[in-house]
Amino acid sequence: GQNIDQPTEMTATEGAIVQINCTYQTSGFNGLFWYQQHAGEAPTFLSYNVLDGLEEKGRFSSFLSRSKGYSYLLLKELQMKDSASYLCAVMGDYGQNFVFGPGTRLSVLP
Amino acid sequence: ETGVTQSPTHLIKTRGQQVTLRCSSQSGHNTVSWYQQALGQGPQFIFQYYREEENGRGNFPPRFSGLQFPNYSSELNVNALELDDSALYLCASSRDRGINQPQHFGDGTRLSIL
Repeated sequence: GQNIDQPTEMTATEGAIVQINCTYQTSGFNGLFWYQQHAGEAPTFLSYNVLDGLEEKGRFSSFLSRSKGYSYLLLKELQMKDSASYLCAVMGDYGQNFVFGPGTRLSVLP
Repeated sequence: ETGVTQSPTHLIKTRGQQVTLRCSSQSGHNTVSWYQQALGQGPQFIFQYYREEENGRGNFPPRFSGLQFPNYSSELNVNALELDDSALYLCASSRDRGINQPQHFGDGTRLSIL
C-alpha cells in the first residue's frame, strides 16, 4: 500500500525556524518532493530529494533518509507569507505517479 | 515559457451530469497528470497521460476518463457526477512521465456538484 503521514497543523513565529516531518511507505521509490500551496492556489514546487542527505535552497532545506522512510522540510527566517500548506509527495513505481500526503497547514504568527 | 493553464476556473453542475475539464501543458512537456483535491486534503492521483497514452491510474472509477492530444494538452471527463465529486481538479505537466523532476501545476478547476 501507499501511505504518507504529515502533521496536520503547525504554528510558528515570524523569524523562527520550523521543521515539517514526513514519513512514507510506498511501493517503490523514485524521489520525494515538497510543494507549497497557498489557500485557493496551485501547489508550487519547493524541493526534491532522491538520495539520502540534505538539499538546501535559500531559506528552505529538505532532508531524506530512505532507510527510515523519512523526510523533513526546514524553513528558516520565517515570514508571514510562508503561511501555507506544505505537501510531501513521493514518486513510487513509474506510472503510479505522485502519492501526496495530507499536507501540513503552517501558520506564521507575528 | 508558458505555464500550465486550466479551464474553466469554476464550474457548477448537478448530480448525474457530465463534465469536461481542459488542461494545456507547459511548453516542452509531454506528460500530463490529473489530481482531485478535496478541501483540506492532499491531491489524489487520478491518472497520467504520456505521449497520448494512459500511463498509470489511481483508485478512481471508470466514469473518470481522459484524453491527451498530439499537442500534449489534455481533457478530464467525468460522467454521472456525484456529490462527492465536488473538489478542486488539478492538472500537472512534466517531461517524460515526471521521472526525477518536479511536476508543474495549473491553478485548477473548482467543480461544485449541487
